[in-house]
Amino acid sequence: DAKTTQPTSMDCAEGRAANLPCNHSTISGNEYVYWYRQIHSQGPQYIIHGLKNNETNEMASLIITEDRKSSTLILPHATLRDTAVYYCIVRVIMNRDDKIIFGKGTRLHILP
Amino acid sequence: EAGVTQFPSHSVIEKGQTVTLRCDPISGHDNLYWYRRVMGKEIKFLLHFVKESKQDESGMPNNRFLAERTGGTYSTLKVQPAELEDSGVYFCASRPSRDGTEAFFGQGTRLTVV
Repeated sequence: DAKTTQPTSMDCAEGRAANLPCNHSTISGNEYVYWYRQIHSQGPQYIIHGLKNNETNEMASLIITEDRKSSTLILPHATLRDTAVYYCIVRVIMNRDDKIIFGKGTRLHILP
Repeated sequence: EAGVTQFPSHSVIEKGQTVTLRCDPISGHDNLYWYRRVMGKEIKFLLHFVKESKQDESGMPNNRFLAERTGGTYSTLKVQPAELEDSGVYFCASRPSRDGTEAFFGQGTRLTVV
């Protein structure tokens, strides 16, 4: 899997958009960008993934740069419940022989 | 639909004892994964089952750990004998066999070895 670089921690005010950056300069053409998060005392939770186009679902938006060397996860209206560690992972889309390799992630604190 | 279920949620055992963790994946998911998070460290992959077969066990730390998935349904992870450094949170995840699907994680079992 390609290596990713994320800030160790970030703060965001409640109600504002949280923008979490991720660098993946060595990403290969067939590798996707996945985001997971782990809320304290819970298991990791899938958020979103994309290849090269921007993606949006009910949880978040994923913006991938044109050269695919970096991406940003956007939580449009952060709430206190979004406080968690967010993991950016790049990998070939999950197949039979696949496993998720977690890095250190970004610890996001949502401030009241 | 029930999610991935893990038992017990917490376990405190003494060094040298045996503990068995259980994971019930989402029904119909052929892929089952075990992960571990030791305090202050990253979430680490342990192993991957496809149905009842071990697809990848490269993350298993040593031979004190034994994972099984008889019949391709639920899985158990046994630690025997437990050591202090085995303390942490053990997560299980499952995923369908179709390509392009994400994995669903359980709430984890917090193991404390004293």
